[in-house]
Amino acid sequence: DVKVTQSSRYLVKRTGEKVFLECVQDMDHENMFWYRQDPGLGLRLIYFSYDVKMKEKGDIPEGYSVSREKKERFSLILESASTNQTSMYLCASSLRLAFKPISSYEQYFGPGTRLTVT
Amino acid sequence: GENVEQHPSTLSVQEGDSAVIKCTYSDSASNYFPWYKQELGKGPQLIIDIRSNVGEKKDQRIAVTLNKTAKHFSLHITETQPEDSAVYFCAASKDTGNQFYFGTGTSLTVIP
Repeated sequence: DVKVTQSSRYLVKRTGEKVFLECVQDMDHENMFWYRQDPGLGLRLIYFSYDVKMKEKGDIPEGYSVSREKKERFSLILESASTNQTSMYLCASSLRLAFKPISSYEQYFGPGTRLTVT
Repeated sequence: GENVEQHPSTLSVQEGDSAVIKCTYSDSASNYFPWYKQELGKGPQLIIDIRSNVGEKKDQRIAVTLNKTAKHFSLHITETQPEDSAVYFCAASKDTGNQFYFGTGTSLTVIP
C-alpha cells in the first residue's frame, strides 16, 4: 500500500520561529510536492522537487524553502514563521514523467499538517 | 501558467440524486485532468482521471466528461450516498510538467 507520511498532524509555533515540516514517501517516487490548503483557495503549490537536491518554485514560494537530501524525504522550512502562514500543509509524491511513458500520473498525498502560528 | 476555475464552491443534494461539478482551464496544452476527493482529516485521493484523447470516462457511479474545444471538464456522481460527502478538487496538467494546477474545491454534502 502506497504511503506518504508527514511528521506532525498538528503544530503550534510562535511568530519568528523556524519551522520544519517533514514528509516521507515509501514508493520510490522521483517527484515530491508541498502544497498549502486554505478555504476558498484550494491547493496552491509552494515548491516541488523532481530529484534529489533539485527544487523548483511553485506559485507561492515566498517565505518558504525546501530541502531534499534523500529521494524519500522532502522538507519544508519556514525560516521565520508569520501568522499568515497559518494553514494546512499537504505533501504529495508521484512518478516522474521524463522520457518514457508512465502508467500513472497520480499524485499521492499525505494526511496534512495543520500549522498554527501565534 | 494554467488557471483552473471550479464551480460550485458548495453543493447539497438529496441522497440518490446526481451531483455535477464543473471546471474550466485556460491552457490548451493541458492534457491530463484528474479529480480528487478529500474526506475530513485526510489528504486528497484520486477518484478518476481523464486524458485529452478521451471525451468521457466512467467508473461505476462516477464519470468525467471533457470538452477540449471549450476547455472544460465535469465530474458526475450518480445515485449519491452519504459517504460521497467530501471536498472535491479538479486539476489540470501537461505531460511535460509533472505539475498539477488545482481548482478551488467543491464541498459536497449528501443529505440522507
